[in-house]
Amino acid sequence: EVQLVESGGDLVNPGGSLRLSCAGSGFPFSTAWMSWLRLAPGKGLEWVGRIQSKNDGGTIDYAAPVNGRFTISRDDSRNTLYLQMNNLKSEDTAVYYCCWELPKPYYFYYWGQGTLVTVSS
Amino acid sequence: EIVLTQSPATLSLSPGERATLSCRASQSVSAYLAWYQQKPGQAPRLLIYDASNRATGIPARFSGSGSGTDFTLTISSLEPEDFAVYYCQQCSDWPPTFGQGTKVEIK
Repeated sequence: EVQLVESGGDLVNPGGSLRLSCAGSGFPFSTAWMSWLRLAPGKGLEWVGRIQSKNDGGTIDYAAPVNGRFTISRDDSRNTLYLQMNNLKSEDTAVYYCCWELPKPYYFYYWGQGTLVTVSS
Repeated sequence: EIVLTQSPATLSLSPGERATLSCRASQSVSAYLAWYQQKPGQAPRLLIYDASNRATGIPARFSGSGSGTDFTLTISSLEPEDFAVYYCQQCSDWPPTFGQGTKVEIK
């Protein structure tokens, strides 16, 4: 069974940092293209960024609102995806989901349960 | 970036009725459009991809149609578990973007 389990969400002050993790199991993590998405209160879903598998080049891209502040990485030996978030803003408050892109790039079939990030003083 | 506009914002229907949800793109996305269902406290679930292909495990009462800029998600006969928020999403152009959602509520 495919499982994605996010962790690391917390209450953080504006300007602060946080690192989210996503542990994958039940599928070939090292070959998976993985994305982070978020759902902010009262808003729609938003794609945050993605990392390809190393075998496919490992390209990472980010949505404009987080580019330069967020960093996506992966540790295939641990089957874990990361999202390092720096210089957090109130508008980053959201539930963050990691996703395995299937059946094609930028379609999101498998989702984690989400982890809540609240940016507030 | 491509803007997706969903209508209506809320759809009030009874179980057994047919639901028709619309998604309009600000420019052509060909058939690179997906539909998701989200219930409170749960992660979204992929229903339809490439405009009309049902994802694995999705019941046949869900169907998608359209191409270019106008798309429709149809639920042929609403089951109690279908009352939720539905989002469309395009991946024709970078970045992938979502509509604001349509809430299907019990009348």
